[in-house]
Amino acid sequence: QVQLQESGPGLVRPSETLSLTCTVSSGSISNYYWSWIRQPPGKGLEWIGYIYYSGSTSYNPSLKSRVSISVDTSRNQFSLKLSSVTAADTAVYYCAKERSDSTFEYWGQGTLVTVSS
Amino acid sequence: DIQMTQSPSTLSASVGDRVTITCRASQSLSTWLAWYQQKPGKAPKLLIYGASNLQSGDPSRFSGSGSGTEFTLTISSLQPDDFGTYYCQQHHSSPYTFGQGTKVEIK
Repeated sequence: QVQLQESGPGLVRPSETLSLTCTVSSGSISNYYWSWIRQPPGKGLEWIGYIYYSGSTSYNPSLKSRVSISVDTSRNQFSLKLSSVTAADTAVYYCAKERSDSTFEYWGQGTLVTVSS
Repeated sequence: DIQMTQSPSTLSASVGDRVTITCRASQSLSTWLAWYQQKPGKAPKLLIYGASNLQSGDPSRFSGSGSGTEFTLTISSLQPDDFGTYYCQQHHSSPYTFGQGTKVEIK
């Protein structure tokens, strides 16, 4: 079954850009939607956005002005960029494979990103 | 955005108990409602989709019901491995939104 693995810095300075990559293995990134979801420590889940393998995207309006998701099909990876971060962006960030019914069947293990100076 | 509200926030029950968690939506979802189980330090796991469809391989003691704006997740006989936090998610329309979670503790 498909496996996902997030990677990127665990510490980001306030006002800088958070960058994460999700590597998909044991399956192709093609023909599917891929999402980013985050969870602040001790809190609930927030969907950030998705990208289709062709490059089309949809973002949560609450983050839309700061978010960019891209895909690299040759590397079987997709990436998240979140600009102008603050302490409120501190969270575990998950990448996930989105099913055609917009549920999330496969998830990465998650990576904690802390925003602090 | 569609707001999702779960109740209770926490529940404590004994092994063998029947447990029910409720999720309410701010607008009609038809049956576009999913449930996830999350263990501490782990990613959420899809349990139920389309309000009542059990994910393949998951125990039949889990069931979901409801339509429109009110939904329930039922565990017919609580088992020790069922501890964790349960989240509902509306998959009716973007932005997809989650409930705040219900923490299930085993007495």
